[in-house]
Amino acid sequence: QQPVQSPQAVILREGEDAVINCSSSKALYSVHWYRQKHGEAPVFLMILLKGGEQKGHEKISASFNEKKQQSSLYLTASQLSYSGTYFCGTESRSNSGYALNFGKGTSLLVTP
Amino acid sequence: EADIYQTPRYLVIGTGKKITLECSQTMGHDKMYWYQQDPGMELHLIHYSYGVNSTEKGDLSSESTVSRIRTEHFPLTLESARPSHTSQYLCASSADVASGRNEQFFGPGTRLTVL
Repeated sequence: QQPVQSPQAVILREGEDAVINCSSSKALYSVHWYRQKHGEAPVFLMILLKGGEQKGHEKISASFNEKKQQSSLYLTASQLSYSGTYFCGTESRSNSGYALNFGKGTSLLVTP
Repeated sequence: EADIYQTPRYLVIGTGKKITLECSQTMGHDKMYWYQQDPGMELHLIHYSYGVNSTEKGDLSSESTVSRIRTEHFPLTLESARPSHTSQYLCASSADVASGRNEQFFGPGTRLTVL
């Protein structure tokens, strides 16, 4: 079951914050976040393995609410390099260890 | 640094030709995947493998086939290419989930155009 991402697209000025959401209709085992820049392959950002877990990398962090079956990616004080399409990939308990289901992506553009 | 390679990077061919897209990884990963992605669109899983001699079809119906004779190699073959196959094909690999680190590493992709 494909997770649902929102918003579809967002435009920010440099230094502003953004939140990207990912929700699933299935009970989740893990949530992955990837960023893909134009013309390049997706690059892994972080994985959240259990409910309530929060992880961060520099000014990008994420949370995982297992009960609500959703994850959010937080981009703080955005930089121009944050521009790209962000995908969440979910692993449900019913297919743990199997291939991920990716959302449709959220396009993020950071302007000067 | 992920070590996963795809060749060719770009391919333009005529309708009806047989093609093989190559994918190799040097990380010793058991799991490998093929995705199809149109520009600016979502990733569609077309094939995956849990290890040698294991292959499964993904969510997106595809006329392609794959093989996994060696751990490091996961080629994708189209017996008769058609214009509808025009897309970008991304290969990825991941370690076994038991290691707790099963993030996917993506290759640079092959951009295929069928005339």
